[in-house]
Amino acid sequence: GQQLNQSPQSMFIQEGEDVSMNCTSSSIFNTWLWYKQDPGEGPVLLIALYKAGELTSNGRLTAQFGTTRKDSFLNISASIPSDVGIYFCGVTSGSRLTFGEGTQLTVNP
Amino acid sequence: NAGVTQTPKFRVLKTGQSMTLLCAQDMNHEYMYWYRQDPGMGLRLIHYSVGEGTTAKGEVPDGYNVSRLKKQNFLLGLESAAPSQTSVYFCASSGHRDTPSYEQYFGPGTRLTVT
Repeated sequence: GQQLNQSPQSMFIQEGEDVSMNCTSSSIFNTWLWYKQDPGEGPVLLIALYKAGELTSNGRLTAQFGTTRKDSFLNISASIPSDVGIYFCGVTSGSRLTFGEGTQLTVNP
Repeated sequence: NAGVTQTPKFRVLKTGQSMTLLCAQDMNHEYMYWYRQDPGMGLRLIHYSVGEGTTAKGEVPDGYNVSRLKKQNFLLGLESAAPSQTSVYFCASSGHRDTPSYEQYFGPGTRLTVT
């Protein structure tokens, strides 16, 4: 099946710092999604990207759909303690969604 | 709107026992999914359904069965639980008949331990 390489696996940052994480694939996809999972909860959709080169923001979050359609990145600006959680990228194939392995983000106050 | 709900929230089973996890959604979504999440492995698709009365295998279907008798419900069954099925199980739903199904909405999860 499809495999997504998500990096980094974990990040430890200070409050106020900016964060960047990315996902790459060997295959081309038409949709990239970014989810956040809080401890003990289900994943919540943050941003959906539908066009190559698309840059979309959601508050302090910005995500881009790579022009090759094989990658995407997520940036978080001016991090705050509630940004803690696991961030997953995902790609769709038909009605199915494949997830990356996640980036565990820890924010120190 | 409750969104996607799952019952139970927690369960402990002995090896060989059976159980059914229930997922319900009130968004009139066509598609429903069951995932399992294990440490360091992200979310893996077990089974999914593209509409009432349909089911299909995902990435890790062995040891599980599903049914979608009503559009709003998707049941995941374990006929003979094994310790390897200890995991957190998430249900998700997405899509309406004439609109894209890319954006999936997740339930809060069921934490299952098999001893």
